[in-house]
Amino acid sequence: DGGITQSPKYLFRKEGQNVTLSCEQNLNHDAMYWYRQDPGQGLRLIYYSQIVNDFQKGDIAEGYSVSREKKESFPLTVTSAQKNPTAFYLCASSGSSTSYEQYFGPGTRLTVT
Amino acid sequence: DAKTTQPPSMDCAEGRAANLPCNHSTISGNEYVYWYRQIHSQGPQYIIHGLKNNETNEMASLIITEDRKSSTLILPHATLRDTAVYYCIVRVDQTGANNLFFGTGTRLTVIP
Repeated sequence: DGGITQSPKYLFRKEGQNVTLSCEQNLNHDAMYWYRQDPGQGLRLIYYSQIVNDFQKGDIAEGYSVSREKKESFPLTVTSAQKNPTAFYLCASSGSSTSYEQYFGPGTRLTVT
Repeated sequence: DAKTTQPPSMDCAEGRAANLPCNHSTISGNEYVYWYRQIHSQGPQYIIHGLKNNETNEMASLIITEDRKSSTLILPHATLRDTAVYYCIVRVDQTGANNLFFGTGTRLTVIP
């Protein structure tokens, strides 16, 4: 089955630790995105990538980093510099940077204490 | 960038049509209207999109007013599984990114 996988579904970390969230897609999509969602809120864009080895900051990139070494993978690292890392993180992909239909993964709920 | 306004919540009886409104009075001529929904603790799911003509697919219908300043998503026969947050989105173009701007949406509750 084609789709987007995110792992793990739940993640717990101590404050001050970096943590990397996985996102893999087998849809052969060029563009990939990371969003953050806080309780009762909409989604906010963290980073996006339109092509391998290229990525751009979204609205709330501070405290996060990404890489795009392979077309199918777009991992997100939440660094210790992110002041409020506890949130629901969603990865998405689309066929191209001009395609607005995005396919979302199931999300990773990160809790930092 | 066009913004959207949606009611925060709505109820609908099971089996009845659910009509979800969205205002986007500052929409530009080349901006599409997209609808997604998010079931609790899952990733959003694409429903439908349109530019100016009404659209229908297996999930829903989209009615866009002639002046394009508002639209309505119609779920013709709502089921309990349609309980979700529904997002009305118009395109946001930021330095080439075709990301989607998700606001807070409308929380639809389908009542048995």
